[in-house]
Amino acid sequence: QVQLVESGGGLVKPGGSLRLSCAASGFILSEYYMAWIRQAPGKGLEWVSYISSDSSYTKYADSVKGRFTISRDNANNSLYLQMSSLRGEDTAKYYCARYLFGFFDHWGQGELVTVSS
Amino acid sequence: ETVLTQSPDTLSLSPGQRATLSCKASQSVASNYVGWYQQKPGQAPRLLIYGPSTRATGIPDRFSGSASGTDFTLTISRLEPEDFGIYYCQVYGGSPLFTFGPGTTVDVK
Repeated sequence: QVQLVESGGGLVKPGGSLRLSCAASGFILSEYYMAWIRQAPGKGLEWVSYISSDSSYTKYADSVKGRFTISRDNANNSLYLQMSSLRGEDTAKYYCARYLFGFFDHWGQGELVTVSS
Repeated sequence: ETVLTQSPDTLSLSPGQRATLSCKASQSVASNYVGWYQQKPGQAPRLLIYGPSTRATGIPDRFSGSASGTDFTLTISRLEPEDFGIYYCQVYGGSPLFTFGPGTTVDVK
């Protein structure tokens, strides 16, 4: 079955960097666009970024543009989110999700990123 | 910017009752790009309905969706104990590319 497992989260100081990874299994990663979506503690969902199946196209939310970079390694069944210049408002659980026709049909369990001094 | 408004904020119902959740977009959205997710405490969201009335894999037929212009509705015909949680609507297209509503909490009366 489809499985998405995030890793790489933790506590980081404002201005710092962190790289999230998402290990995909149970489907052919190279056939799907993928995305990152985040959820601040006790808050709703916010789309962060997505990437085309061959990495040729990426898109970002305005709130992270220029600071976050999405990438993927289809050969190793992995999705990444490089986060830099982190701010307190980036504190959230970050979900890796599979994209399908405008929606997100499978989600990982999420990885918590806390930005605090 | 596309803004989604969900109502009510909280719906308190008993098992067996019908739940009707609303989502309104601030601007025109193609109805085939409207979807609904369910999230339970401590869990990731789960896609329920998309397009606006197609059930995702494994979703029981007590869940249904509809759209009329900028108004979208998720209906749960008879609430089961496992249906309590937070429901988010989501649209694709516009700016930002993907927008989620603030959520409606369905809890036990």
